[in-house]
Amino acid sequence: AQTVTQSQPEMSVQEAETVTLSCTYDTSESDYYLFWYKQPPSRQMILVIRQEAYKQQNATENRFSVNFQKAAKSFSLKISDSQLGDAAMYFCAYRSGYSGGSNYKLTFGKGTLLTVNP
Amino acid sequence: ETGVTQTPRHLVMGMTNKKSLKCEQHLGHNAMYWYKQSAKKPLELMFVYNFKEQTENNSVPSRFSPECPNSSHLFLHLHTLQPEDSALYLCASSKGTSGGAGNEQFFGPGTRLTVL
Repeated sequence: AQTVTQSQPEMSVQEAETVTLSCTYDTSESDYYLFWYKQPPSRQMILVIRQEAYKQQNATENRFSVNFQKAAKSFSLKISDSQLGDAAMYFCAYRSGYSGGSNYKLTFGKGTLLTVNP
Repeated sequence: ETGVTQTPRHLVMGMTNKKSLKCEQHLGHNAMYWYKQSAKKPLELMFVYNFKEQTENNSVPSRFSPECPNSSHLFLHLHTLQPEDSALYLCASSKGTSGGAGNEQFFGPGTRLTVL
């Protein structure tokens, strides 16, 4: 079974600074997807960024980028030029890339609560 | 907004009450999910429906009863709950349930349930 670990229960960053949230995972599969979800205080879980394991290039979405280290099974999220609206709980998640059975299931980490200080 | 709505947003109920949570998706998806989110724990998948058919029941107690009348609507019927059932209940939808690309899950805002 796959596991996802977020070792930082809480992080804080100054507005306009850069912060990196850590995520490690364990899997025996070679084809999979990794996600970062953001859950602000309004509670709507929003997909921030997605990485496909067979792509070597790190995914980027505006101020959000990932550092995907497949061999190390590490998938960190970097937020540049942090804004007050970035304050939220961030969840790392894993999903198999294979079809069939229960491979569609998302495995989530426990989350990292990010505080942005003005 | 993700295209997934949930009502009510907050619910307080006694252990002997019967209530229902509603989820609706406007994305044309075929799969819908119920998750339970408790403090300091990863999201727990409860039920999955694909094309209105239940495909997953993750050992959920029978006091939780899901219903999926069509691909756009999902209900969670609650009865004789326990205080430990207090949590945020999230609904999600996706195009399908294969493990491949394009089946990302989109979440609703959740219902904060408190059982007294």
